[in-house]
Amino acid sequence: SQQGEEDPQALSIQEGENATMNCSYKTSINNLQWYRQNSGRGLVHLILIRSNEREKHSGRLRVTLDTSKKSSSLLITASRAADTASYFCATAGLYNQGGKLIFGQGTELSVKP
Amino acid sequence: DGGITQSPKYLFRKEGQNVTLSCEQNLNHDAMYWYRQDPGQGLRLIYYSQIVNDFQKGDIAEGYSVSREKKESFPLTVTSAQKNPTAFYLCASSILDRGYGYTFGSGTRLTVV
Repeated sequence: SQQGEEDPQALSIQEGENATMNCSYKTSINNLQWYRQNSGRGLVHLILIRSNEREKHSGRLRVTLDTSKKSSSLLITASRAADTASYFCATAGLYNQGGKLIFGQGTELSVKP
Repeated sequence: DGGITQSPKYLFRKEGQNVTLSCEQNLNHDAMYWYRQDPGQGLRLIYYSQIVNDFQKGDIAEGYSVSREKKESFPLTVTSAQKNPTAFYLCASSILDRGYGYTFGSGTRLTVV
């Protein structure tokens, strides 16, 4: 069962612009995480935001969480060509479920030099 | 360096064959997970394990089997009962505290020939 839906499915921007990706989910969560996947590779953990947090920063990344709307956004500022990748949100359920994460479909980001 | 290793990187399976994908971690993580990724799709959970000699089915366990005889190892067998096994398979591990993200392997691409 897919928990998250991401929007847009694909995003193309110029280097230096900001990129915003959105994630919506269906059930109550303990935390929400964002991952990056370069083509043909494994996923890399970027940032985790807990259900009692509203905003979190890490370098050029800014994540917001609105639990009333069951949605999150990932903002990448001053994007670089190296940011070209797919980005996935993943949610950890409210109750103990073996630590498993439910992943969204992903947003494919292309940053043109 | 600590990490999670998947092998082989590419695997070809004939119709009716069972094949086993290897996943080894030296991070001392308790939990391990197997996900399947189809082109342009998100990740779907196949099996997960929180402790040695115990594992649970995920959303798409049919046609797959796993074992967890050692903390470091969580091999996945794709059986002949899995009718559409061509996909990218990702193994991950984590600390059981839900405040931490997953560490992923680099994946195995399985193709039926």
